[in-house]
Amino acid sequence: DGGITQSPKYLFRKEGQNVTLSCEQNLNHDAMYWYRQDPGQGLRLIYYSQIVNDFQKGDIAEGYSVSREKKESFPLTVTSAQKNPTAFYLCASSITSGHYNEQFFGPGTRLTVL
Amino acid sequence: QQQVKQSPQSLIVQKGGISIINCAYENTAFDYFPWYQQFPGKGPALLIAIRPDVSEKKEGRFTISFNKSAKQFSLHIMDSQPGDSATYFCAASNAGNNRKLIWGLGTSLAVNP
Repeated sequence: DGGITQSPKYLFRKEGQNVTLSCEQNLNHDAMYWYRQDPGQGLRLIYYSQIVNDFQKGDIAEGYSVSREKKESFPLTVTSAQKNPTAFYLCASSITSGHYNEQFFGPGTRLTVL
Repeated sequence: QQQVKQSPQSLIVQKGGISIINCAYENTAFDYFPWYQQFPGKGPALLIAIRPDVSEKKEGRFTISFNKSAKQFSLHIMDSQPGDSATYFCAASNAGNNRKLIWGLGTSLAVNP
């Protein structure tokens, strides 16, 4: 089955720890995205990548880091510099050719800082 | 600065009724307007999308109405069903911003049986 997988589904972290969220896609999409979702705040873009070995900051990149070493994978690291990391994190991918590129989303990872 | 404003924040509709969610945008360069549906604990999924060269697009019970001069677009759900209870997001994009989606804040829809 083609799609996007995120792991783990739930993640607990102690304050001061870095944690990495996994995102893998087998849709052969060039572009991948990380969003953060908080109640009442919609989806906020953290980072996005349109090609391997290249990525750009989104609207709320502070305290986060990413890598794009493979087309299929776009892991997100939540660092200890992120002051309020508890949230629902969503990964998405899309093609980059054409004008109207649907973003396909993974099932999300819920991160809780204890 | 929020470039896509969505209303209402929440909506309660009786089964069989019409659900209407509205979005307004500021950037006239936007040329793609999708609506996404999200169930609790899941990722959003594309529901329906429209381009500004048409005023209306219908897919089953879901219709997008688009008013280019007013810079507004809306989602209409006809014959609303309890299974439609979800959060709905409008969004917009254009080629000038690498096709990043600019999202509305979402509308929580509850359809009472």
